[in-house]
Amino acid sequence: SQQGEEDPQALSIQEGENATMNCSYKTSINNLQWYRQNSGRGLVHLILIRSNEREKHSGRLRVTLDTSKKSSSLLITASRAADTASYFCATDDDGNKLVFGAGTILRVKS
Amino acid sequence: NAGVTQTPKFQVLKTGQSMTLQCAQDMNHEYMSWYRQDPGMGLRLIHYSVGAGITDQGEVPNGYNVSRSTTEDFPLRLLSAAPSQTSVYFCASRPTGTYEQYFGPGTRLTVT
Repeated sequence: SQQGEEDPQALSIQEGENATMNCSYKTSINNLQWYRQNSGRGLVHLILIRSNEREKHSGRLRVTLDTSKKSSSLLITASRAADTASYFCATDDDGNKLVFGAGTILRVKS
Repeated sequence: NAGVTQTPKFQVLKTGQSMTLQCAQDMNHEYMSWYRQDPGMGLRLIHYSVGAGITDQGEVPNGYNVSRSTTEDFPLRLLSAAPSQTSVYFCASRPTGTYEQYFGPGTRLTVT
């Protein structure tokens, strides 16, 4: 499968700092999405970037995509304790089969 | 809207038992899917459906059956549960023409 891989596996930062998570994938994609999962909950969609886009912003989120390196990064600026969660990238080549990475566990200390 | 709902929240089965995990959505989404999430791993696609009467396999379909008789419901059946099916199961849906998926709260299944 073209599973994405996140790096780092876990990240611990202080409130107010920026958090950067990276995702690599294996084959060509239509788009790449980032989801957040709070402990014991379902996933929540954060942002989608299409294969012909290089950067996208949404509030405190910034996503970049480098299709030549098959990689993406998610930057959360000015982190808050409420940002503590697991973050997953997911790739999609036909719209029907979303493939998830193993996730990055982010802990924001207040 | 209630969004995507799943029942039950928790279930314990003995090896060989059968059960159905329920998933329903009230957003009139054509696409629905089932994933399983194991510790330390991302979600893996089990089955999906692009509309009533149409289903297809995902990455890990063995041991699971699905059917889609209505737009709203997409149940997942375990015919003979095995310990390897111990996992958290998530149902998701999305509208046609978009890629963002809406997830249910999950069902935690333990098979002993």
